[in-house]
Amino acid sequence: AQTVTQSQPEMSVQEAETVTLSCTYDTSENNYYLFWYKQPPSRQMILVIRQEAYKQQNATENRFSVNFQKAAKSFSLKISDSQLGDTAMYFCAFMIGTNAGKSTFGDGTTLTVKP
Amino acid sequence: DTGVSQDPRHKITKRGQNVTFRCDPISEHNRLYWYRQTLGQGPEFLTYFQNEAQLEKSRLLSDRFSAERPKGSFSTLEIQRTEQGDSAMYLCASSLRTGTLVYEQYFGPGTRLTVT
Repeated sequence: AQTVTQSQPEMSVQEAETVTLSCTYDTSENNYYLFWYKQPPSRQMILVIRQEAYKQQNATENRFSVNFQKAAKSFSLKISDSQLGDTAMYFCAFMIGTNAGKSTFGDGTTLTVKP
Repeated sequence: DTGVSQDPRHKITKRGQNVTFRCDPISEHNRLYWYRQTLGQGPEFLTYFQNEAQLEKSRLLSDRFSAERPKGSFSTLEIQRTEQGDSAMYLCASSLRTGTLVYEQYFGPGTRLTVT
């Protein structure tokens, strides 16, 4: 079974600064995908960024980038130039690539961006 | 709006009653997923469909839970004889899978169930 661990229940950052959210996972699979989702207060979950395990290059999406360390089973999210709208709960998720069925989620990190 | 929609958004019911939720996925998506999320936790997988076939069910999905996707489009999740422990947000998501290509899941707004 796969597990996803987010060790930081809450974090805060000043507007315009950079913050990194941590995620570790455990799996015996070699073909898988990793995701970061954002869930703003009382709003639906949206995808922030995805990473295919077979790709060595770290994914980036504008101000969001990941540090994917496959051997260490680590997948952290870096948010640069934090904005007030980044305030949300962030979930790390894992999906096996062979059948692309369910995703396994961590328990989330609540990020507050302060003005 | 072409996103995933769920109905109702909120449901309050008394213990022992049956409830049914509906999910309409993004139209071209062939996969549909149900998750349950309790306060302060990440979503937990319940079940998923490819077209009309239910491919996997979690052990969390007791005999009181049943899900259908009869025509490969919308899906329903029914909970019979509700218990207070069923109170949660029920999330639906959809995705597209073509051959070996995997696409991310798009989530709906959820149905919040409160069992009194």
